[in-house]
Amino acid sequence: QKEVEQDPGPLSVPEGAIVSLNCTYSNSAFQYFMWYRQYSRKGPELLMYTYSSGNKEDGRFTAQVDKSSKYISLFIRDSQPSDSATYLCASKSGGSYIPTFGRGTSLIVHP
Amino acid sequence: DAGITQSPRHKVTETGTPVTLRCHQTENHRYMYWYRQDPGHGLRLIHYSYGVKDTDKGEVSDGYSVSRSKTEDFLLTLESATSSQTSVYFCAISEEGVSNSPLHFGNGTRLTVT
Repeated sequence: QKEVEQDPGPLSVPEGAIVSLNCTYSNSAFQYFMWYRQYSRKGPELLMYTYSSGNKEDGRFTAQVDKSSKYISLFIRDSQPSDSATYLCASKSGGSYIPTFGRGTSLIVHP
Repeated sequence: DAGITQSPRHKVTETGTPVTLRCHQTENHRYMYWYRQDPGHGLRLIHYSYGVKDTDKGEVSDGYSVSRSKTEDFLLTLESATSSQTSVYFCAISEEGVSNSPLHFGNGTRLTVT
């Protein structure tokens, strides 16, 4: 079992929907949590970066961490076709330079 | 992009030939990484570097070697390419001395071994 688990999807939603992307992790030492967006034939691009539990909002994106249940979420409001991509979650412990990545969830937003 | 250039962007090579991929950064970051990305496996760490001439193995290092003679360049070499090394290779960097710094990725090299 990987330390960070993510449903590969694909997740297909209509334009304007609220999207919820989720990961679970098993390592209690993880303190830093990241979401990356990856378009086809491109490298992963950092979307959100959070420390410990709680919420972080950036425009239409909200990252949420629940350390008690070891659950990481990314919410996308008013989803657009341009949000269609693969979303990767990642986690790492304090003092570590090497994050553990989930395998990614493919999101399709159709007009 | 975070000042990371990977070259070549695409390469086709034959089994048994040596291949070198290059990662060049303009951010002066201390940490550099090589990952491969395959369907069903996600991103897997091959090697990483924490300074000039300082490197260490990742989870899938067999068949790969790396070198870092300058801060800005990190080379990945496949000594004798095999078909199982057909993949997309990503270089990443992270900021010096900041353990909570996230990784930033290049746009990848698509390698096909025939």
